[in-house]
Formats: sequence, structure tokens, C-alpha cells
Amino acid sequence: AQKVTQAQTEISVVEKEDVTLDCVYETRDTTYYLFWYKQPPSGELVFLIRRNSFDEQNEISGRYSWNFQKSTSSFNFTITASQVVDSAVYFCALSENNAGNMLTFGGGTRLMVKP
Amino acid sequence: DADVTQTPRNRITKTGKRIMLECSQTKGHDRMYWYRQDPGLGLRLIYYSFDVKDINKGEISDGYSVSRQAQAKFSLSLESAIPNQTALYFCATSAPGPLSDEQFFGPGTRLTVL
Repeated sequence: AQKVTQAQTEISVVEKEDVTLDCVYETRDTTYYLFWYKQPPSGELVFLIRRNSFDEQNEISGRYSWNFQKSTSSFNFTITASQVVDSAVYFCALSENNAGNMLTFGGGTRLMVKP
Repeated sequence: DADVTQTPRNRITKTGKRIMLECSQTKGHDRMYWYRQDPGLGLRLIYYSFDVKDINKGEISDGYSVSRQAQAKFSLSLESAIPNQTALYFCATSAPGPLSDEQFFGPGTRLTVL
């Protein structure tokens, strides 16, 4: 069965610090997708990134970067020079190719960025 | 206009009442999902539908039922609401394909059962 673990339930940093949110997953499938979503205080889910299991290249988008390592079953998310607007709950999720696009979510990490 | 809409956005109800949450999408996707979010547990799948004639239970379907009235509409019902169904509910859609693609989420419905 697929499983996603976000061990950090809450992280607090001061603005401009770098912060990494950890995500570890379990799957028996060889074809799968990993996702990160952001949930700001307003409650909606904002899609950040999708990564398929065949692409282990790290990705950078502005202050955001993602490190995908199949050897450790991890898909970690780093925010560089954090800002107050980054304060949100962040979810990592897994979708197996054989599971009909159904997402399994981690429990989420609440990030608080203080000014 | 939003591609995935949910009504109502907020609802407060009493134990034992029947509640229906509605989801509509304009993305033309065949696949629709209902999730609930509880603090610390992330989102968990309640029901999913791959087309109008296909309905499947998810991880936590007890106490819920669904109806897929059309490709664009997928409703979630609580036949007799109870307090532990207080949660944030999300509808989502996706398109089928050889490889999984992202799910598109509605804005959520915050349900409180007193």
C-alpha cells in the first residue's frame, strides 16, 4: 500500500531563513507521481509541483526547489529566503499509476514564517 | 470562473441532519473525487468516480454516500451527520491517461456538525 510521511508537523522560521520540508513515501509501483501542494490560511489547495518516478532531476522555481531521491524514497521541498507569505500548510502526495490517479497525502507540515 | 466549484462553502448543521455537498466542474474531466481534511491527517479519500456509471469507495466511506448526476457533477451526502464529520471537504477532478496527472481541487467546503 502507498504511504506518505511528513514527519515535521510544524516548523517555525524567521523571515529570510532557508527551510526544508521533508517527505518520505512508500510504494510498490514503479510508475508513480509525487506532488506538493500549498494550503494558505484561506484554505484552498495550490498545486506547486508534479514529478514522475522516471525523472529524478531536481527542480528549481524561483525560491522553491525540490530534491527527489528514489534511493531514499524522499521528495523534499526547500524554500530559500523564506517570506511571511510562505506561511501555510504544505502537503506532499503520491499517486500510483495503478491506482487510478488517486492521491495519498501526507499529514502536512505547517510552516510559520515570522517577520 | 473557477474550473471546480463547491457549494456550499460553509455549512453548520446539527447532529442527525442530512447534508449534501455539491461539486461541479467545467474541465471536462471524467474522474472526480471527494476528500476530507482533518488536522494532522492530511486529505483522505472518501469516494471516487471514473465516469458517470462508476462509483467507488475510498479509504473512509462509512457514513457517506455519493451521486454522479452527470460528468460535470458529483455530490457527497451525509445521511445523518455526526460531530466527527466536522471537517474541510474537497472535491477534485482529473483526466485519465497512460500516466497519472495532477488533480484539480475545488475551494473546499467547511462543514461543522454540532
